[in-house]
Parts: sequence; C-alpha cells; structure tokens
Amino acid sequence: TQLLEQSPQFLSIQEGENLTVYCNSSSVFSSLQWYRQEPGEGPVLLVTVVTGGEVKKLKRLTFQFGDARKDSSLHITAAQPGDTGLYLCAGAQGNEKLTFGTGTRLTIIP
Amino acid sequence: KAGVTQTPRYLIKTRGQQVTLSCSPISGHRSVSWYQQTPGQGLQFLFEYFSETQRNKGNFPGRFSGRQFSNSRSEMNVSTLELGDSALYLCASSLGWGNIQYFGAGTRLSVL
Repeated sequence: TQLLEQSPQFLSIQEGENLTVYCNSSSVFSSLQWYRQEPGEGPVLLVTVVTGGEVKKLKRLTFQFGDARKDSSLHITAAQPGDTGLYLCAGAQGNEKLTFGTGTRLTIIP
Repeated sequence: KAGVTQTPRYLIKTRGQQVTLSCSPISGHRSVSWYQQTPGQGLQFLFEYFSETQRNKGNFPGRFSGRQFSNSRSEMNVSTLELGDSALYLCASSLGWGNIQYFGAGTRLSVL
C-alpha cells in the first residue's frame, strides 16, 4: 500500500507558467520533505516542513504543509527549464523510515 | 567535501546470480540507508545502518541484505537475482536518523 500519493503523475507545461504538485496521505507525518531528482542522479533535498500549516519559500518554489500534517503542496511560479525533473515528497513518522511518494515527473518546455 | 559515492554505476547480471553494491558515505556520516527505485513502485526503503548495526528494515525478502563497516562504508547484497530486482539502487548518508539524507547517484542494476 502506497501511503503517499502524488498528483499529477506527469506534468508538461510551457516556460513561464505556474504549477502546483500535490502530495496526499491518510496518515499523519511528523515532518515532510520534498526532493528533486534529475536523470542519472539521486534525489536532492529541497525543503523540510514540520509544523501543520507551515509555508516555506525557496525562490520561485512555495511549499505548504497541511494543517493536519497529512498533505503537502509544491507551487512553482514562472517555471523554467531548469525546474525539469522528478519531484518526490517523503514523510517521516517519528524515528520510522522515510516513506516516499509516487513522484511527479515535471517537464518545462522552453 | 566529497559526496556519497556508489559503485558500480551500472551492472548487468542474469537471473540466479548474486550482486554486491557499495556505498561510501560523506565523511563523518554514520548512518547509511539503502533504497530501491523502480518506475512501478517508486522509491522504497530497504534498510538503514548506523555504527555497523541495522536499525531499520523495509519490507523486502531476505535475499536483500546489507552490512556496514567500521569506516561507515556500506555494502548491499542481493542473492538469487530475479528479473523484478532490476532497479536503481540508491544509497543515502546522514549524521543520524532524522537528519538530512544525502543521496548518491545510484547503481542501475539490470537483471536479464
């Protein structure tokens, strides 16, 4: 059973457009992380959110943790080709293993 | 500071063989975690080692095993390979469980 569902699974948009990626679960997480993975590389951590309702900004990327700590979203403003990659959310429950989401493969068309 | 190094980068094996993958963590990191990534199942946790002890284990059969050496380097072994074991195997190191994990580039295993 996959605990973290991401949507959409695939997204292809034009450069300059905005987009939102969602990460949903029926489980509560103590923290949630977002990673970006490029071809031939391992995932790279973008952000960690720990408080329900928390919003973090990283340049054009805005991350939000749901109030109930069961879901999260990633919003990208004015997408650029360099944003292309596989976006993964991952939830932690205390000292238990990280559970990764199903992933969203994003392609930004110049 | 060198990142996480995984060797080899690519590997081709046949069914029934066994394989050993290696991971050298970032200097000073004592925790090493292994993950399997496939298009169908995504990224799944295999196990985590800290100071040569396995602390956490995912839901994989006993054919998947690992170990960690005193210098924190880790190896992962898969015995009696099956076609479904074809995947990208990722290693991540951190200072400890709950700290930021840094991933290597992975070993892509193809089982024929």
